[in-house]
Amino acid sequence: TQLLEQSPQFLSIQEGENLTVYCNSSSVFSSLQWYRQEPGEGPVLLVTVVTGGEVKKLKRLTFQFGDARKDSSLHITAAQPGDTGLYLCAGDSGGTSYGKLTFGQGTILTVHP
Amino acid sequence: EAGVAQSPRYKIIEKRQSVAFWCNPISGHATLYWYQQILGQGPKLLIQFQNNGVVDDSQLPKDRFSAERLKGVDSTLKIQPAKLEDSAVYLCASSLDATPGYGYTFGSGTRLTVV
Repeated sequence: TQLLEQSPQFLSIQEGENLTVYCNSSSVFSSLQWYRQEPGEGPVLLVTVVTGGEVKKLKRLTFQFGDARKDSSLHITAAQPGDTGLYLCAGDSGGTSYGKLTFGQGTILTVHP
Repeated sequence: EAGVAQSPRYKIIEKRQSVAFWCNPISGHATLYWYQQILGQGPKLLIQFQNNGVVDDSQLPKDRFSAERLKGVDSTLKIQPAKLEDSAVYLCASSLDATPGYGYTFGSGTRLTVV
């Protein structure tokens, strides 16, 4: 069973601060996705990274896929209260598990005004 | 485009009762997934359909859970009989294709409480 470990599990910061969330595994993934989930809603896809070493930016969010495709990070610059939510990474191991995503346990981010 | 529709939004049942959840994916999405999300955890895959066929149900507790997608469109997930530990949010997701790069679109989920 492939596992994705996210850290930290909880993050409470002030508006304007920067933060990084990590997603690590001992397994190689063919792609990795990041989702954001708000209370009472389903996760919403933020980004998909496919190539080792790939960096994608989405406004104040920067996503990086590790060279070996075993880890990823999400960096938020100048966090805002609207960034509050549960951030989930999810890996697709490909092969016979094509399309099947394994999720990390999530990072709960709270940004205080 | 319309999103993934799920119903009901909330359900409270007593243990040993039965319950069914319904999901209507985005039109044209061939792949449909049911996930279970226990409070404080990431979603866990229960079953994956490609059109009306099952691709992966290895983590579905088949003694009590069943799912079908008869016409390759909407799907139902049933629990019979329910246990206390089945209390969770049941998320349905669909994807155009199972190819990497096609992200999932999730529904809002059904929150099940078993008392």
